[in-house]
Amino acid sequence: SQTIHQWPATLVQPVGSPLSLECTVEGTSNPNLYWYRQAAGRGLQLLFYSVGIGQISSEVPQNLSASRPQDRQFILSSKKLLLSDSGFYLCAWGAEGQNIQYFGAGTRLSVL
Amino acid sequence: AQTVTQSQPEMSVQEAETVTLSCTYDTSESDYYLFWYKQPPSRQMILVIRQEAYKQQNATENRFSVNFQKAAKSFSLKISDSQLGDAAMYFCAYRRPGTASKLTFGTGTRLQVTL
Repeated sequence: SQTIHQWPATLVQPVGSPLSLECTVEGTSNPNLYWYRQAAGRGLQLLFYSVGIGQISSEVPQNLSASRPQDRQFILSSKKLLLSDSGFYLCAWGAEGQNIQYFGAGTRLSVL
Repeated sequence: AQTVTQSQPEMSVQEAETVTLSCTYDTSESDYYLFWYKQPPSRQMILVIRQEAYKQQNATENRFSVNFQKAAKSFSLKISDSQLGDAAMYFCAYRRPGTASKLTFGTGTRLQVTL
């Protein structure tokens, strides 16, 4: 069966520090991968998606970037965090041709 | 652009009773997909039920069912025989067909289940 892993679960970082959140999927190949952010009391907003290695599409201009160095690995990064980057980040995957997205457990990021 | 609206920020239901969560959406597409996701306190998003727009029959998954009204662009979730474990945030989401198409979420409804 397919599983999705996200880490770390919780992160507290100072303003101006770098960020790296990692997401990996097991049990499938060539998944579509997604990074969403959920601000407090809000729904999810898509940040990035990827349909293959090295292929990244950005939905919202921001301080963050994403990379997909391997087929089942998706990384969310920042060179310098802002206070406004605080939130709950969720990685999701979906199989090509299917319409369901499955979510990881999320990372709670606090930028202080 | 597609939008999803959940007009009930909070709802409450007694255990074993039935509750309906509302969702409306706006789209110019004729083919699309609708979902209800549950987010418990652990904050992991869990798929509850999905509906394909081309299907007239309402989807059902055990105690969960939807009332899909395509003309009215309405997609409500009915939870029957509510259980304490149903307490969570519920998000309605829309997805149009296509490769890697994103999910557009509503702002959520917090469901409380009381004894």
